[in-house]
Amino acid sequence: KQEVTQIPAALSVPEGENLVLNCSFTDSAIYNLQWFRQDPGKGLTSLLLIQSSQREQTSGRLNASLDKSSGRSTLYIAASQPGDSATYLCAVLTQGGSEKLVFGKGTKLTVNP
Amino acid sequence: GAGVSQTPSNKVTEKGKYVELRCDPISGHTALYWYRQSLGQGPEFLIYFQGTGAADDSGLPNDRFFAVRPEGSVSTLKIQRTERGDSAVYLCASSRTRTGPNTEAFFGQGTRLTVV
Repeated sequence: KQEVTQIPAALSVPEGENLVLNCSFTDSAIYNLQWFRQDPGKGLTSLLLIQSSQREQTSGRLNASLDKSSGRSTLYIAASQPGDSATYLCAVLTQGGSEKLVFGKGTKLTVNP
Repeated sequence: GAGVSQTPSNKVTEKGKYVELRCDPISGHTALYWYRQSLGQGPEFLIYFQGTGAADDSGLPNDRFFAVRPEGSVSTLKIQRTERGDSAVYLCASSRTRTGPNTEAFFGQGTRLTVV
């Protein structure tokens, strides 16, 4: 059974810092990995998708990496801003008989002005 | 539509009542997913449709939960005899293709269900 873990559960940083969020998964049989952002009381906004054959994806100040063999992904946020405050979720799209997104519990990020 | 639309955004119901939650996927998306998110947790898979048929309903917690997608577009999640433990945010997502490396899921804003 696929399990996704995100560390840390919460992170508080001053504005301007670069930061890294971690995601690990137990089964490497995945199609891709997606990072999402969730604001309080809102749905999920897709940030980055990394296909299983790819190593990284970049969008603006965000860079996500994937090491499928070791079951790890990181989301790097450069020059953090208060508007980046949200919960960040990673999810893997599993292969095999049950193809679905399996989520971690998320990292709650607070960027202080 | 421009995005995945879920209605209602909030629903309060009494224990034992029946509720329906609606999801309008992005136009042209053949895959549709339902997830449930409890406070402080990540979303948990409920059911996945490819077209009109449920390709995987292994996440439905019990037979009080049922979902349909009769025309391959709009989907309705139905919960009978609601219990307080059913209180959660119910999220719907859609994607354009059959499952593969390019499959990117887009989520709606969710329906917050509260059973009192």
